[in-house]
Amino acid sequence: DAGVIQSPRHEVTEMGQEVTLRCKPISGHNSLFWYRQTMMRGLELLIYFNNNVPIDDSGMPEDRFSAKMPNASFSTLKIQPSEPRDSAVYFCASTLAGGIGGELFFGEGSRLTVL
Amino acid sequence: GQQLNQSPQSMFIQEGEDVSMNCTSSSIFNTWLWYKQDPGEGPVLLIALYKAGELTSNGRLTAQFGITRKDSFLNISASIPSDVGIYFCAGRNYGGSQGNLIFGKGTKLSVKP
Repeated sequence: DAGVIQSPRHEVTEMGQEVTLRCKPISGHNSLFWYRQTMMRGLELLIYFNNNVPIDDSGMPEDRFSAKMPNASFSTLKIQPSEPRDSAVYFCASTLAGGIGGELFFGEGSRLTVL
Repeated sequence: GQQLNQSPQSMFIQEGEDVSMNCTSSSIFNTWLWYKQDPGEGPVLLIALYKAGELTSNGRLTAQFGITRKDSFLNISASIPSDVGIYFCAGRNYGGSQGNLIFGKGTKLSVKP
């Protein structure tokens, strides 16, 4: 079975540009999470969705960040305008809410570099 | 916000040695998870623990859910070079939803052949 699929794997952009990261969760999973990973702060939860509805976006750093989940098989994380401090690896993860333990399955990540 | 204290931050060991790492929290958790992250990859679940005192093995890996519900440890026996990576603990608050999964800062393991 296919795991969580993220794109792009790597993106290098200039400050001020819009960045869109994409995620396809595991088929059948109804919860989707966006995490950011940096050396300094580790893994930080940005936002998560249950059944395509945003439940908690308190981890979104500021208004420049937005996330959508138009359907059960697709989500985007957008940064506009991007800044150098946004450079990080962004992970998408999915799970079946209500399942035992709700273990998260992670994608391979999107490494963002903002110059 | 809430944090897990994971230690050690890094370990340099010889192939064949045993490894032990742990996580502690000031809060009670009802779930502990251990993940491994290889370079350039996403974290992969190794072991999940759901009951205080539970001891679970996965091959050479053994993890335990502390009896106080505030800690967990992961042991790796007879380490091999492919054990290299970053190991993360993660805990979920009692009664919390999946969004309340808190991650430790990770233990970076290096294995010398």
